[in-house]
Amino acid sequence: DAGVIQSPRHEVTEMGQEVTLRCKPISGHNSLFWYRQTMMRGLELLIYFNNNVPIDDSGMPEDRFSAKMPNASFSTLKIQPSEPRDSAVYFCASSDKRGEQFFGPGTRLTVL
Amino acid sequence: GENVEQHPSTLSVQEGDSAVIKCTYSDSASNYFPWYKQELGKGPQLIIDIRSNVGEKKDQRIAVTLNKTAKHFSLHITETQPEDSAVYFCAALRGDIQGAQKLVFGQGTRLTINP
Repeated sequence: DAGVIQSPRHEVTEMGQEVTLRCKPISGHNSLFWYRQTMMRGLELLIYFNNNVPIDDSGMPEDRFSAKMPNASFSTLKIQPSEPRDSAVYFCASSDKRGEQFFGPGTRLTVL
Repeated sequence: GENVEQHPSTLSVQEGDSAVIKCTYSDSASNYFPWYKQELGKGPQLIIDIRSNVGEKKDQRIAVTLNKTAKHFSLHITETQPEDSAVYFCAALRGDIQGAQKLVFGQGTRLTINP
């Protein structure tokens, strides 16, 4: 198995632009998680899905952030409009019913 | 909700010595406790985990112990090697009836192994 796949690995954009991060979970996993990691705040859970349904989005910082999971093999995290304070590493993770979460390599986002 | 505290935040040991990282949790219903290792520029990697029905689990040089009464669990690394240098995160999980699995992470420990 290729593990959790994220794209792009690096993204540099200007303030105000739309950013879309993509994730392909491990096949057969029924839960998907989006995290953000910064030096100041550590690892934060933004939102997670179970069987493609959003369960808890209380970690989403603002309405500028949105996430979708149209099917079991794909999810997106969108930031519109982006701001410099959104600069961070964004991780996607997936898990099966046993709860073992496996992380992707992350997307390093820089908003200028 | 669950709260996980991790100590120490940084740890430096000599190669070959042992390293111990400790975590406490608040929700007595939590039943799954994984440990992750994160190397520079990479995502967290699951290295060992323990469920609430056992008190200790070992995998080569790595072991985890769980004290449910005291609500704390620890990671033990023996015969440390330079490649053990990384940031380590503990986490706790309370599975809910819907089957959704939400991990709560500790703040992380930066472990440095000195040659």
